[in-house]
Amino acid sequence: AQKVTQAQTEISVVEKEDVTLDCVYETRDTTYYLFWYKQPPSGELVFLIRRNSFDEQNEISGRYSWNFQKSTSSFNFTITASQVVDSAVYFCALMKTGANNLFFGTGTRLTVIP
Amino acid sequence: DTEVTQTPKHLVMGMTNKKSLKCEQHMGHRAMYWYKQKAKKPPELMFVYSYEKLSINESVPSRFSPECPNSSLLNLHLHALQPEDSALYLCASSQPGLSFTSYNEQFFGPGTRLTVL
Repeated sequence: AQKVTQAQTEISVVEKEDVTLDCVYETRDTTYYLFWYKQPPSGELVFLIRRNSFDEQNEISGRYSWNFQKSTSSFNFTITASQVVDSAVYFCALMKTGANNLFFGTGTRLTVIP
Repeated sequence: DTEVTQTPKHLVMGMTNKKSLKCEQHMGHRAMYWYKQKAKKPPELMFVYSYEKLSINESVPSRFSPECPNSSLLNLHLHALQPEDSALYLCASSQPGLSFTSYNEQFFGPGTRLTVL
């Protein structure tokens, strides 16, 4: 069974603060993918990152960084120097290898206050 | 072109109406998806088409009928819907997850916001 937990339902930060969104997952599969998606108020889900289960290297893309730790089954997402445009709902998701269905967490609503 | 388009953006229909949602992608993806998203909830998978064949149907009521006319198009036909079917309907596409090295990220369209009266 697959399960993704995003314990933070809502987070508010002041612009330029750093913020970390937590994601914990459960799976019995030895190989799988993890994803983060952003959903702004317009509704479209925007793909941010995909991670293979065997690749535990942290990744940085501009102000975004991701910390994947297999030992704790976590895939956390940090936004550095947050901006108002970062305000959105962020979903963490899991997919087993060779499958097509994404298991989404419940999402974290991030509000960045100017 | 990394875009998935959906029409219409908004749809209001009565419970006796028949309508269709349309989705199109030109990324050469061979898997296409329909998701339903209620307010403040994550998307829920409804259907998956892989190589134009229905591969997953997540126990969706028959009042929702998917159709994949070709590899670029995906339709969702709606008939005799209930008010609780009001939601954001999202279409997505990806390469099918055939192997560990294939790319699985799904690219989503902007969605159709459906209201059933």
